[in-house]
Amino acid sequence: QKEVEQNSGPLSVPEGAIASLNCTYSDRGSQSFFWYRQYSGKSPELIMSIYSNGDKEDGRFTAQLNKASQYVSLLIRDSQPSDSATYLCAVDAGGTSYGKLTFGQGTILTVHP
Amino acid sequence: GAGVSQSPSNKVTEKGKDVELRCDPISGHTALYWYRQRLGQGLEFLIYFQGNSAPDKSGLPSDRFSAERTGESVSTLTIQRTQQEDSAVYLCASSLGGRGLASYEQYFGPGTRLTVT
Repeated sequence: QKEVEQNSGPLSVPEGAIASLNCTYSDRGSQSFFWYRQYSGKSPELIMSIYSNGDKEDGRFTAQLNKASQYVSLLIRDSQPSDSATYLCAVDAGGTSYGKLTFGQGTILTVHP
Repeated sequence: GAGVSQSPSNKVTEKGKDVELRCDPISGHTALYWYRQRLGQGLEFLIYFQGNSAPDKSGLPSDRFSAERTGESVSTLTIQRTQQEDSAVYLCASSLGGRGLASYEQYFGPGTRLTVT
């Protein structure tokens, strides 16, 4: 069974710090990787996508991908209380999945003032 | 542009009744997905449509659940003879579809909160 694993947390960081969220996946055929943010009571919101090994930066967010280690991470710089949410890692199911994503259980992030 | 819309936003129904949930994807998105999220739990995949066909129904929990999509647009998820364990938020997402890597980028609607009493 194809799996996506995340540390459930909660991860607590002080305001202004760097939050580091990690995710591992089991399917070596996966090629597309996503991070979603989900506020309590809301639906998931796509914040980052990454397809190639290395880093991808967008504002305060940096996604990192290492396909050899089957590892993807999200760094949030200058963390703000408004970043407090559950962060979901999602990976394409590979092969002939035609766009189906497998989601991790999510990591709860709390940024305290 | 308009995002994914879902209706109703909330639905309370009695055990044993049938319910229909509706999803209207982003215009131009050919792929559509249904998920279920129980309180405090992760996303549970239900079914995927590419156009009007459903190549992957592997997540439907039982034969009480069915879904259809017409005209590469609106989809309805029907739950017959609802049970209390069906209580959850039902989320719909859409993506461009096709084979490119960006086709996997899924955008979610606000969800329908279903409560079975």
